[in-house]
Amino acid sequence: GAGVSQSPSNKVTEKGKDVELRCDPISGHTALYWYRQSLGQGLEFLIYFQGNSAPDKSGLPSDRFSAERTGGSVSTLTIQRTQQEDSAVYLCASSSNGPTGNTIYFGEGSWLTVV
Amino acid sequence: GESVGLHLPTLSVQEGDNSIINCAYSNSASDYFIWYKQESGKGPQFIIDIRSNMDKRQGQRVTVLLNKTVKHLSLQIAATQPGDSAVYFCAENGNAGNMLTFGGGTRLMVKP
Repeated sequence: GAGVSQSPSNKVTEKGKDVELRCDPISGHTALYWYRQSLGQGLEFLIYFQGNSAPDKSGLPSDRFSAERTGGSVSTLTIQRTQQEDSAVYLCASSSNGPTGNTIYFGEGSWLTVV
Repeated sequence: GESVGLHLPTLSVQEGDNSIINCAYSNSASDYFIWYKQESGKGPQFIIDIRSNMDKRQGQRVTVLLNKTVKHLSLQIAATQPGDSAVYFCAENGNAGNMLTFGGGTRLMVKP
């Protein structure tokens, strides 16, 4: 597609359930990022994928969070045993190469509500 | 720790006036800076970027100024329009980083 595509756009889940969020980056972009944005807050880095390199997972808040990127394209962010504090917008972004000097384009986000 | 922050959480301007949104950063190794606009319910939208070897860069109705001496970044919007109402984030990337570090955001409100 023309932009970064994320699904679902909205997800309401019960506390303790697992959720999967999907990101389809811009075609040809080798770099993919996940960020989290709580209500009225800035963006918090979660994880970064670049080509075939090992991902930078330094921003993942706990071991309940994991992400994969299959075939160098689509990525899935998985949150296990969701907690209410996981409620946030999860934003995916991609760029043609690494983050320096290459415009990073964001998707519209997946709004997660844990009840 | 290193951080990027904004001075004003909310800025209210009259339609047609110029807007200036400020941002301070603390990582002296940062060499790339970006401004994003985020409208309600949408993802951040790239506005303009600047590398550390520049002091000023202009786009359509927007100008970014970088003062490396005091580690300060600003976004100027000329002839502000109602459609400019949004939250604006500055972000920076250190030359060894794998991420953009975002400031807390400034809400721009344009009064008709």
